[in-house]
Parts: sequence; C-alpha cells; structure tokens
Amino acid sequence: AQSVTQLDSQVPVFEEAPVELRCNYSSSVSVYLFWYVQYPNQGLQLLLKYLSGSTLVESINGFEAEFNKSQTYFHLRKPSVHISDTAEYFCAVSPGSGTYKYIFGTGTRLKVLA
Amino acid sequence: GAGVSQTPSNKVTEKGKYVELRCDPISGHTALYWYRQSLGQGPEFLIYFQGTGAADDSGLPNDRFFAVRPEGSVSTLKIQRTERGDSAVYLCASSLNPGGAGEQYFGPGTRLTVT
Repeated sequence: AQSVTQLDSQVPVFEEAPVELRCNYSSSVSVYLFWYVQYPNQGLQLLLKYLSGSTLVESINGFEAEFNKSQTYFHLRKPSVHISDTAEYFCAVSPGSGTYKYIFGTGTRLKVLA
Repeated sequence: GAGVSQTPSNKVTEKGKYVELRCDPISGHTALYWYRQSLGQGPEFLIYFQGTGAADDSGLPNDRFFAVRPEGSVSTLKIQRTERGDSAVYLCASSLNPGGAGEQYFGPGTRLTVT
C-alpha cells in the first residue's frame, strides 16, 4: 500500500524568498507522483507530475520537484515566491498500474508574506 | 473546453436524509473517480469507474454510500441516512484513461453539510 506524508502543515515565507514543501512517500511498487495546488475557493489544479524519465520535473510557473527514489521523496521547490503563490499544496501518489487512484497527503498551506 | 462539473456546489441536509451528488466528467474521459475531503485533510479515495462499471469501490466507508455511472459519462454519488460525520467536500475527477499520462482533472467539489 502507498502512503504520503507532507511534513509541514503550514509554511510562511516572505515574497521573493525560496521555498521547499516536503513530501515523503512509501510504496512497494513503482508509482506516479503529483503536486496539486488549490487556490482559495477553487478546485485542485495539477502543478506538476512525475511518471518516468528525468527525475527533475518543472511547472510553467517556476515550481520544480525532484523525484528521489532511494530516499522516497518528491519535494516541491521554487526559488522565488510571489504573493499569488499563496495556496494549499497537495502531494499525491498513484500506483503505476491498476486503478491509478491517488493517495493524497494532508496538504501544506503556503502563505507568502509581503 | 469544459472541465469537470459538479452539482450542487453546496448541499445542506438534515441528519438521516438521502442526498445525491452529481458529476459531469470531461467529454471522452473513460475513468471517473470520487474523493472526499474533510476539513484540514487531503482528499481520500472513494470509488473508481472505468466506463459504466465500478472497478474499485474499496474507499466507500460503508453501505450507506453508493455510486452509479449508468451510461459511462455522468456519475451520481448517493448517500443514504446521512450522518454529521458525512459532512465534507466531495470531489469528482476524470481522466482520459487510467494510467497513461496519469493526470486526473478535478471538479470544484460539492460541499455537503449535514445538520
């Protein structure tokens, strides 16, 4: 069975500072990994995903995540955050076969301060 | 194009009542998922449809919960004899096919409040 742990429930950071949101997972099988973002009063939106290939994946708005299979993490990073990045971020794992259902972490609330 | 839509956006019901929540997936998406998100938690898997059949209903908490997708498109999640603990946001997601690109597209959710 898979599980996901997001180590920080809240992360306050000043604008233009770097940020890292941590995600650890456990699985005995190959997995797909995702980061979703949920802006206030909106639905979940895919930020980036790892399916296979390069272990460093990037999103169009400056976020990146590195898949580390040996240490089983998929941390999300951004070198310089904006106020508009304030949102809840969810890490999810999906088995690479079968139903592909997602197992989500409990979320990290990123608050960017002016 | 149109995304996943869910109706109603909000539903308030009394304990013991029956409710139906509707999900309209993206056209052509064969895989449909229901999740439940309680306050302060991440979404939790409830049930997965591939076409018309429920391929995995292991996440349904008990037999008060049931879901259908009779024509392989729209799905309805049905909750009988609602309890206060059922209060949550119910999310629907669809994907073009299970696996593959792996991305699920989520609807805005239905916020269910049981009083």
